[in-house]
Amino acid sequence: GENVEQHPSTLSVQEGDSAVIKCTYSDSASNYFPWYKQELGKRPQLIIDIRSNVGEKKDQRIAVTLNKTAKHFSLHITETQPEDSAVYFCAASSGYSTLTFGKGTMLLVSP
Amino acid sequence: DAGVTQSPTHLIKTRGQQVTLRCSPKSGHDTVSWYQQALGQGPQFIFQYYEEEERQRGNFPDRFSGHQFPNYSSELNVNALLLGDSALYLCASSFRPGTVGKTQYFGPGTRLLVL
Repeated sequence: GENVEQHPSTLSVQEGDSAVIKCTYSDSASNYFPWYKQELGKRPQLIIDIRSNVGEKKDQRIAVTLNKTAKHFSLHITETQPEDSAVYFCAASSGYSTLTFGKGTMLLVSP
Repeated sequence: DAGVTQSPTHLIKTRGQQVTLRCSPKSGHDTVSWYQQALGQGPQFIFQYYEEEERQRGNFPDRFSGHQFPNYSSELNVNALLLGDSALYLCASSFRPGTVGKTQYFGPGTRLLVL
């Protein structure tokens, strides 16, 4: 089955800095890669996703890149703000099968 | 447009008991997936229901079972509860499984504590 590795497990940045979270996946059939943000005690919320026919996608301060050859994808957050502090999860799916999640990255943005 | 809803929000049970959790999918969605999220971990897939049938199943024992109703809502049942079943149970809805992974939206979850 699919295996998703996520790094780092914790990430501390200063407000205004950029943050990068990286994930690798094992199943070459995976074709959908979402990122979720989960605040303490809340549901995971989809923040951005990318499909395998696209190499990069951007939404305001958030961008995701995908390298299918190397089987890795990354989340980039620019101009970080304290409200970006949360746990971020990457996931992978190959259709018909459902999401396999990484173990999460706790992002702390200090004012 | 109603999002994914789950009930109850919290539940306390003792070992050996049985529990039923409920989920209503987002309007327009017909597929429900259930996940277990242990403290400090990512969600782990339990099973997925589409057209009232279990379509996919993760690595969970038969003590975990489910059902989907004609209105697309779903139940998760866990029998013979163990301490290790304590977790946040998340329901996610999507539209029709296909060859490409589908966007899934999560409900607020049910936090289960087994004593």
